Amino acid sequence: DVKVTQSSRYLVKRTGEKVFLECVQDMDHENMFWYRQDPGLGLRLIYFSYDVKMKEKGDIPEGYSVSREKKERFSLILESASTNQTSMYLCASSTAFRGGAGYEQYFGPGTRLTVT
Amino acid sequence: AQSVAQPEDQVNVAEGNPLTVKCTYSVSGNPYLFWYVQYPNRGLQFLLKYITGDNLVKGSYGFEAEFNKSQTSFHLKKPSALVSDSALYFCAVNKDTGRRALTFGSGTRLQVQP
Repeated sequence: DVKVTQSSRYLVKRTGEKVFLECVQDMDHENMFWYRQDPGLGLRLIYFSYDVKMKEKGDIPEGYSVSREKKERFSLILESASTNQTSMYLCASSTAFRGGAGYEQYFGPGTRLTVT
Repeated sequence: AQSVAQPEDQVNVAEGNPLTVKCTYSVSGNPYLFWYVQYPNRGLQFLLKYITGDNLVKGSYGFEAEFNKSQTSFHLKKPSALVSDSALYFCAVNKDTGRRALTFGSGTRLQVQP
């Protein structure tokens, strides 16, 4: 079974704090993704990575950065957390064969982040 | 650009009745279409996908979806709903070239009443 794990299920941070969300997958997938999920908006892509040290911006990258130093690990960083970043954050991974477009993504359980 | 529309925020159906959750898409090129389900406080689980071939795709838990190119739709169906099917359902699209990440719809909450 593919397993994608996220470091925290629930997180409460203060405005202005630097926040790290960690994601680890055990299937040797090349592609990894960070989404945020908000009611009525579905999932929106923040960043994705198609290889170690490689990254591409998604649809809503502002206020976020990412790091991928090892193939199995993809970190999302909120440089200075703000209340509008309160959300559910979902990590996913997929194979890269033929770009990975036709292959399903496997999701972690999510981290519910509250910024006060 | 690629996009997905799920026109219904919520679908209510009685247990044992057939269910349909609607999805339409917009993409240039050949679409890859996916359905995911999310149970409370859980991540998304893959249900099924359409890549090519037969327009009727069968997936997990008795779900199926029909790809209709002329109507650009990919509706999720099940012949007989169970209370345990109550969850949030997401449709997603990608295309055969370019971007690797999926574009998701806004989600449809399915409520199956006993």
